[in-house]
Amino acid sequence: DIQMTQSPSSLSASVGDRVTITCRASQGISKYLAWYQQKPGKVLKLLIYAASTLQSGVPSRFSGSGSGTDFTLTISSLQPEDVATYYCQKYNSAPLTFGGGTKVEIK
Amino acid sequence: EVHLLESGGGLVQPGGSLRLSCAASGFIFSNYAMTWVRQAPGKGLEWVSAIGGSDGTTDYAGSVKGRFTISRDNSNNTLYLQMNSLRVEDTAVYFCAKSRSFDLAAVNYWGQGTLVTVSS
Repeated sequence: DIQMTQSPSSLSASVGDRVTITCRASQGISKYLAWYQQKPGKVLKLLIYAASTLQSGVPSRFSGSGSGTDFTLTISSLQPEDVATYYCQKYNSAPLTFGGGTKVEIK
Repeated sequence: EVHLLESGGGLVQPGGSLRLSCAASGFIFSNYAMTWVRQAPGKGLEWVSAIGGSDGTTDYAGSVKGRFTISRDNSNNTLYLQMNSLRVEDTAVYFCAKSRSFDLAAVNYWGQGTLVTVSS
């Protein structure tokens, strides 16, 4: 099975900072990658699919890039409401494995 | 508006069984694949199982294959997860989720989750 490795596992940044989270697949997955946001007590939210397509309604400060094995999620200007844990997920074939998550906090 | 409501969680002893349900509304249920994802207390997300839209093709994580069965009732817009031979490590919040397409794809809607606790 393909493994998904996210880094860092946590980060702390200031409001307005550019934040980058990486996700690496152990084998190529083309662009079959999604990013999700999980806030405590809130329903999970799809941010990005097909590696770089922004889900409708998601703020444009979120962006995704990459293909094959290396992917990134970027928040161009971190906002207080972005405090959450972020997960990547591959979906080219089963199992649809998630990365381990990245917890984002405000410094 | 898409709405997913899980039910059926609870406390069960190791080796026991439980059936989760997910009532869906706000979209043409049979047109979309559906997924179960779980999250153990304080841990990350783990994909459990998925089922195709109209053809009902199923897939399972290795950790649950042979013990869990996913199914759907397209006439009643309901997704199920039958969980047998439950283990302590199956303790988690189980989320029902809607795929973006009839096949394996990113999930664009999630339920609130239902807690399953496996303990003696």
